[in-house]
Amino acid sequence: SQQGEEDPQALSIQEGENATMNCSYKTSINNLQWYRQNSGRGLVHLILIRSNEREKHSGRLRVTLDTSKKSSSLLITASRAADTASYFCATDETGNYQLIWGAGTKLIIKP
Amino acid sequence: NAGVTQTPKFQVLKTGQSMTLQCAQDMNHEYMSWYRQDPGMGLRLIHYSVGAGITDQGEVPNGYNVSRSTTEDFPLRLLSAAPSQTSVYFCASRGLGGVETQYFGPGTRLLVL
Repeated sequence: SQQGEEDPQALSIQEGENATMNCSYKTSINNLQWYRQNSGRGLVHLILIRSNEREKHSGRLRVTLDTSKKSSSLLITASRAADTASYFCATDETGNYQLIWGAGTKLIIKP
Repeated sequence: NAGVTQTPKFQVLKTGQSMTLQCAQDMNHEYMSWYRQDPGMGLRLIHYSVGAGITDQGEVPNGYNVSRSTTEDFPLRLLSAAPSQTSVYFCASRGLGGVETQYFGPGTRLLVL
């Protein structure tokens, strides 16, 4: 069953602003991954952070991981209209083949 | 590399009909899975496989069958379609060798009347 929880469920900001999404989980993990889904399309991998890492950057994306709080955040800086999409976190649990998915955050960037 | 491919892209069925959604990957991934995604919702795991000849149930397996005769292919069969199975179906694959990300197909939109 899905154990990841994301908040907010929806986020609407002006182009150029920063967007922050949060993900919480319940079990021990090997890594946590963030994916993006454009409307009606398949999910695309964005960034992966291992359990022994605290922060990772990729272009305008910054991911943090706090294993003591079992939470992660995804920051998109200087947002663009093309960032409009749903964002999902997925945890790779210790000893489990499956990725456990959150319900997603719907991000809308207003021009 | 084609990645993960799915056919068909769209399908309309009548209640009670059966059909097979096809999924193939060319990355030699051991793990393959099927998800359904309902409007505004996240992914729900239907069935998954960790290798040829091995399949297991996910969160919502009722009404669906799978088989894994080869590493490349993982078809999903709807036995007797119901309106509640109207959804978008995604196939995905990943390796199991270490830190692995998941690759998704483009999805199949299914409407059951």
